[in-house]
Amino acid sequence: DIQMTQSPASLSASLGETVTIECRASEDIYNGLAWYQQKPGKSPQLLIYNANSLHTGVPSRFSGSGSGTQYSLKINSLQSEDVASYFCQQYYDYPDTFGAGTKLELK
Amino acid sequence: EVQLVESGGGLVQPGRSLKLSCAASGFTFSNYYMAWVRQAPKKGLEWVATISTSGSRTYYPDSVKGRFTISRDNAKSSLYLQMNSLKSEDTATYYCARGYYDGYYHGIWFAYWGQGTLVTVSS
Repeated sequence: DIQMTQSPASLSASLGETVTIECRASEDIYNGLAWYQQKPGKSPQLLIYNANSLHTGVPSRFSGSGSGTQYSLKINSLQSEDVASYFCQQYYDYPDTFGAGTKLELK
Repeated sequence: EVQLVESGGGLVQPGRSLKLSCAASGFTFSNYYMAWVRQAPKKGLEWVATISTSGSRTYYPDSVKGRFTISRDNAKSSLYLQMNSLKSEDTATYYCARGYYDGYYHGIWFAYWGQGTLVTVSS
């Protein structure tokens, strides 16, 4: 199985700041990567697919990048509504696997 | 508007069975791969099962293979998960998700999610 190592596990940032979350795959996943946001008590919501494609309705302050085994999610100009947990997922090969998550809080 | 509404969760004893349902609306159900993803309390996400548009292909991780069965009824726009031989480690919120399969990757990403249904396996 492909292992997804996500970092950091938790993050504290100020409003307006730029935040970056990383995900490393145990092998090349050829951009088969998605990012999800999960607010407390809610279901996950898709942000990014194919490593860098923005899902419909997602604010442009979210962006994804990377290739091979290294991927990142960047949030520009952090807003209060961005407080959430973020998960990466690889779908290059079965079984689909998720990172352990990053909990983003406001400083 | 895409809507996915799960039902069927509850408290069940170890070794027993439970069947989850997901009612879909707001899109042409038969055109999309569908999946179940679970989340144990205060834990991360775990993919549980995927089914192709016609239902002819199904996929599972080793943790549930042989115990869980995903199925769909396109005429009713409904997705199901039959869970047998339940274990305490199956305790989780189970989400129904609409997937997207582009044919290049083996797996799918999950574009829309339901609100989830909680399954608790305990004696």
